[in-house]
Amino acid sequence: TQLLEQSPQFLSIQEGENLTVYCNSSSVFSSLQWYRQEPGEGPVLLVTVVTGGEVKKLKRLTFQFGDARKDSSLHITAAQPGDTGLYLCAGARNNQGGKLIFGQGTELSVKP
Amino acid sequence: DADVTQTPRNRITKTGKRIMLECSQTKGHDRMYWYRQDPGLGLRLIYYSFDVKDINKGEISDGYSVSRQAQAKFSLSLESAIPNQTALYFCATSDGGWGGRGNEQFFGPGTRLTVL
Repeated sequence: TQLLEQSPQFLSIQEGENLTVYCNSSSVFSSLQWYRQEPGEGPVLLVTVVTGGEVKKLKRLTFQFGDARKDSSLHITAAQPGDTGLYLCAGARNNQGGKLIFGQGTELSVKP
Repeated sequence: DADVTQTPRNRITKTGKRIMLECSQTKGHDRMYWYRQDPGLGLRLIYYSFDVKDINKGEISDGYSVSRQAQAKFSLSLESAIPNQTALYFCATSDGGWGGRGNEQFFGPGTRLTVL
């Protein structure tokens, strides 16, 4: 059972376009993180959101945690080729002792 | 220097062989994790350890074992490797503190394992 559904699974866009990646669940999370992974490397943490409705910005990236803490989105404005990579969302639940549940990932390709 | 290191980075082996993947960290974190990554499946938890004396199975522990030799070292073994264990393997750490920051995980560079 996949508790965190990420969409889309693949995304190929041109430089300068905007995009949004979604991470959805029927479960409530105490916190949710977004990671970015490049080929040949491990995932690198981008952001952690903990409060329902929270919005965090990291340069051209905007992260939002749903009001009910069941979903999250990542929006990239004016995508650049350097944004290419695998984006993973991961949620922590209160009764899981700090373990993370990962989404399947979104493979983003930004073409110049 | 990297905070979380994994050895080897690449390994090709044959069915039935015993394989050990090693992970070391200098972050001083108590919690360590082993994941495998397969295309389209995200990261799946194999084993995790919250301190040296605490080892727990994850969602896909069959065919794997682990050893937590010290706070800084956590190794993963495949007792008798099989082809469907071909995957990317990642080690991660976290400090387990209160709130969302305690759940943040820091990953090693991964080991690409191929079982023929």
